[in-house]
Amino acid sequence: AQSVAQPEDQVNVAEGNPLTVKCTYSVSGNPYLFWYVQYPNRGLQFLLKYITGDNLVKGSYGFEAEFNKSQTSFHLKKPSALVSDSALYFCAVRGSSSNTGKLIFGQGTTLQVKP
Amino acid sequence: DGGITQSPKYLFRKEGQNVTLSCEQNLNHDAMYWYRQDPGQGLRLIYYSQIVNDFQKGDIAEGYSVSREKKESFPLTVTSAQKNPTAFYLCASSPRLAASTDTQYFGPGTRLTVL
Repeated sequence: AQSVAQPEDQVNVAEGNPLTVKCTYSVSGNPYLFWYVQYPNRGLQFLLKYITGDNLVKGSYGFEAEFNKSQTSFHLKKPSALVSDSALYFCAVRGSSSNTGKLIFGQGTTLQVKP
Repeated sequence: DGGITQSPKYLFRKEGQNVTLSCEQNLNHDAMYWYRQDPGQGLRLIYYSQIVNDFQKGDIAEGYSVSREKKESFPLTVTSAQKNPTAFYLCASSPRLAASTDTQYFGPGTRLTVL
């Protein structure tokens, strides 16, 4: 069965420090991995995705994510956190064998960046 | 939130009433989706559609119905059969359903509350 795990409900970091939001996955076939961000009472905004190629993917707002096949992980990172990065972050995966377009979402991680 | 609009932003329903949530996209995407979001549970797929006049049940379709009469529109009806409809509803679209690498883009959401 396909699944995504975000092991931390909340991550707290100080402004200016690096941040990491963790994601691990299980999927049939090659994984296609996505990160989204959600601000309160808003829809999800796409940040970045990994399809193939370079394991380090760069996305919007200075975020990047590192794909690690052996650890089945796709952690979201940012070198220097901003207070405005505080939001709910979702990791999602789709397997290459999927023919429904269905994305499997993690339960979300709340990022709190303190001044 | 791109070219996807959802209305209304907030919706209140009395017990036993059916309500319809609107979703419109101007991205010329073939595929459209409805998700339900509950606190701490991530997103769960209700229905999806890859083409006009065709739609498929997702993981939690009971108590919901949809139609796809136009490419741009994918309304969701929450019927009185849905036992716990209070949630945040998100509509999404992607260029093609079966293309695993395509990104899904989300609307701003509708918050439904049952009184």
